[in-house]
Amino acid sequence: GDSVTQMEGPVTLSEEAFLTINCTYTATGYPSLFWYVQYPGEGLQLLLKATKADDKGSNKGFEATYRKETTSFHLEKGSVQVSDSAVYFCALSDLGATDSWGKLQFGAGTQVVVTP
Amino acid sequence: SAVISQKPSRDICQRGTSLTIQCQVDSQVTMMFWYRQQPGQSLTLIATANQGSEATYESGFVIDKFPISRPNLTFSTLTVSNMSPEDSSIYLCSVVVLAGETQYFGPGTRLLVL
Repeated sequence: GDSVTQMEGPVTLSEEAFLTINCTYTATGYPSLFWYVQYPGEGLQLLLKATKADDKGSNKGFEATYRKETTSFHLEKGSVQVSDSAVYFCALSDLGATDSWGKLQFGAGTQVVVTP
Repeated sequence: SAVISQKPSRDICQRGTSLTIQCQVDSQVTMMFWYRQQPGQSLTLIATANQGSEATYESGFVIDKFPISRPNLTFSTLTVSNMSPEDSSIYLCSVVVLAGETQYFGPGTRLLVL
């Protein structure tokens, strides 16, 4: 079945450092890929998405490129801020799978802590 | 996108009781889902809420424990029945807007069972 694997946290960074969170996936169909962010005490917010190979999603300085050849969707940000401290979830939705259309498969989540 | 509200936002309940969580969306949506997020964990799909018919449950979740209703395109409820401390979690509803594929999440209901 479909699955998402992302790097374990917590990831602790200093402000203005470069952030990468690795995410790889397995899917039988043609998945769309997502990054969601969960700030402390809040629900999930969509950060960015990509629906086909070589698409790049971007938002709030974060970027991720859908790499079909490496089945990856790594999240990057060039200069993090304290306000980026949150848990980041990689997820996929496999619209080509008839028994799981629309369902999201989540990775375990990666906690990011940015210190001043 | 969609604006999603959940009630209650949090609750503390006694074991053996039941709690019904409401999810309201500001626009018609094609699909509604209910997820559970146990402390420090990722999200696990409980079920797909189907309009006017029985929900579709994922492996490990049953209707007697988590009855779900969806009377129309913008509203759903999840009941957590006969609660135990192991049910302490965040429960989130999510929706897929008409003609879209992106899921949007409600703010969650934080449940603590004593």
